[in-house]
Amino acid sequence: QKEVEQDPGPLSVPEGAIVSLNCTYSNSAFQYFMWYRQYSRKGPELLMYTYSSGNKEDGRFTAQVDKSSKYISLFIRDSQPSDSATYLCAMTGGTSYGKLTFGQGTILTVHP
Amino acid sequence: DGGITQSPKYLFRKEGQNVTLSCEQNLNHDAMYWYRQDPGQGLRLIYYSQIVNDFQKGDIAEGYSVSREKKESFPLTVTSAQKNPTAFYLCASKDGYSNQPQHFGDGTRLSIL
Repeated sequence: QKEVEQDPGPLSVPEGAIVSLNCTYSNSAFQYFMWYRQYSRKGPELLMYTYSSGNKEDGRFTAQVDKSSKYISLFIRDSQPSDSATYLCAMTGGTSYGKLTFGQGTILTVHP
Repeated sequence: DGGITQSPKYLFRKEGQNVTLSCEQNLNHDAMYWYRQDPGQGLRLIYYSQIVNDFQKGDIAEGYSVSREKKESFPLTVTSAQKNPTAFYLCASKDGYSNQPQHFGDGTRLSIL
């Protein structure tokens, strides 16, 4: 079993929809959680960075962390065609010294 | 502009050949990382370096080598021992030993001729 599980999709939604992306993990030492967005043939770009449990909002994006359930989510409100990309969750903590463990990535398409 | 520069964007390797991928950063970050990305497998860590003149193997180091002679540079060599080198290679850096997020370059796509 992988340390971080992420549904690879693909996920296709109409413009304006609310998108929910999720990851589950097994290592209880993880404390820092990230979401990256990756466009085709580009490197991942940091979207959200959160510590421990709770919510964080940035514009149309909201990140949620539930450490008791070992579950993290990224919500995208009013999705746009420009949001079409692969979304990667990543996490670190404990003795990993900043090394990230990534999910497989979810491919999202927002169609006009 | 501060950032991470990877070159070349596309690289082709012949059988039995070693090739070197370049990664340069001007963010003054201490730590640098190399990942391999294959379709449907996320990112896998090849090597990482927390400080100049020191580096450690990641999860899939076999067939790869690195050096860290300067803070801003962390080149990756894909040797002929790596039998399946076709992939997208990503370099990242971050600030020191903290749990700050990593920042990525735009990758090098390596293919076999």
